[in-house]
Amino acid sequence: AQSVTQLGSHVSVSEGALVLLRCNYSSSVPPYLFWYVQYPNQGLQLLLKYTSAATLVKGINGFEAEFKKSETSFHLTKPSAHMSDAAEYFCAVSEGMNRDDKIIFGKGTRLHILP
Amino acid sequence: DAGITQSPRHKVTETGTPVTLRCHQTENHRYMYWYRQDPGHGLRLIHYSYGVKDTDKGEVSDGYSVSRSKTEDFLLTLESATSSQTSVYFCAISEGQAVLAKNIQYFGAGTRLSVL
Repeated sequence: AQSVTQLGSHVSVSEGALVLLRCNYSSSVPPYLFWYVQYPNQGLQLLLKYTSAATLVKGINGFEAEFKKSETSFHLTKPSAHMSDAAEYFCAVSEGMNRDDKIIFGKGTRLHILP
Repeated sequence: DAGITQSPRHKVTETGTPVTLRCHQTENHRYMYWYRQDPGHGLRLIHYSYGVKDTDKGEVSDGYSVSRSKTEDFLLTLESATSSQTSVYFCAISEGQAVLAKNIQYFGAGTRLSVL
């Protein structure tokens, strides 16, 4: 069964610094991988997705993630943090082959931006 | 949140009371989902629907039931609310016409439920 682990429930970075949010997955087949972002008092919205077309995936708001099969990782990065990036970020995995396949979400990482 | 409306947005109720949460979509998407979000647990799937009158259980379905009589509406019912069901509930939809489309979910703004 697929699973996803996000390392660090809270991450703090200074404004302008590199953002790195870690995600490792487990899947028995080539997975679909996603990052979602949740701003305060809102639902989740898709940040980016990996569909096997390219290992480096670019998303909205300057974020990108790299799929590394050998490390079973899909870490999220942004070169320069902005105050508006403060939110909770969820990594998700799906094998997606059948109707019954679900998206499994990680427990989330809350990103704090320090002025 | 576009195209997805959850109601109510906030609710306070007492233990043992039945509660129904509604999710309404205007996107005509096939799949609809109910999740609960709790600190330290992320999102956990309660029930989902893959068509009108077609529903199935998720990871944490005990104490919850769902119904989908129309494409646009997916109801979540707590037959007898307990304090452990205090949570934020999110509805999500996905197109479901292709494998990848099924996995891209769009979320409502959530319903904050407190069971006292």
